[in-house]
Amino acid sequence: GQNIDQPTEMTATEGAIVQINCTYQTSGFNGLFWYQQHAGEAPTFLSYNVLDGLEEKGRFSSFLSRSKGYSYLLLKELQMKDSASYLCAVMDSNYQLIWGAGTKLIIKP
Amino acid sequence: GAVVSQHPSRVICKSGTSVKIECRSLDFQATTMFWYRQFPKQSLMLMATSNEGSKATYEQGVEKDKFLINHASLTLSTLTVTSAHPEDSSFYICSARGPTDYEQYFGPGTRLTVT
Repeated sequence: GQNIDQPTEMTATEGAIVQINCTYQTSGFNGLFWYQQHAGEAPTFLSYNVLDGLEEKGRFSSFLSRSKGYSYLLLKELQMKDSASYLCAVMDSNYQLIWGAGTKLIIKP
Repeated sequence: GAVVSQHPSRVICKSGTSVKIECRSLDFQATTMFWYRQFPKQSLMLMATSNEGSKATYEQGVEKDKFLINHASLTLSTLTVTSAHPEDSSFYICSARGPTDYEQYFGPGTRLTVT
């Protein structure tokens, strides 16, 4: 079966760095996405990785290792507005997105 | 670019009535649209995938006669919840993908409350 695993909840301090991990087992791989979702709102796109390595975009970076079925989202210089759920999703061989359950990130002052 | 709109953003209806939700791609042609449902504190659940001009493909456990999906044009898909019941109360989100895109662009969602 297809499976995406990520921690349910994480807590971090304003100004710090946090890493949210995602492991996956899917039938085929056409890229991994990270989305941010604030409560009561639709997800917004953060990053897309299809090749191994680190993609940096401002305070957010995303890493992928296809051989390990592993990705992480790194958030630097945390701000209170970063409190949200972070969704990991993998596009399978049918170009369908397989979603993780999301990681709720709580930022404390 | 790549904006998706949904209408209405919120709707309250009485049990037994039907509700139609519209999803529009405003600045691109969406060959594929997706409908998701999300219950509080849970992740997105894909309900169905629709390609323009063809019947929607429903996920296992989703009643196609209850959740009617019409993808009549490259910019519009509609989801009709027929004979709605309180357990259908949820956050419904559509997303759209262009012919050459991998990314799904999400609409803002529709919060349905059935009383």
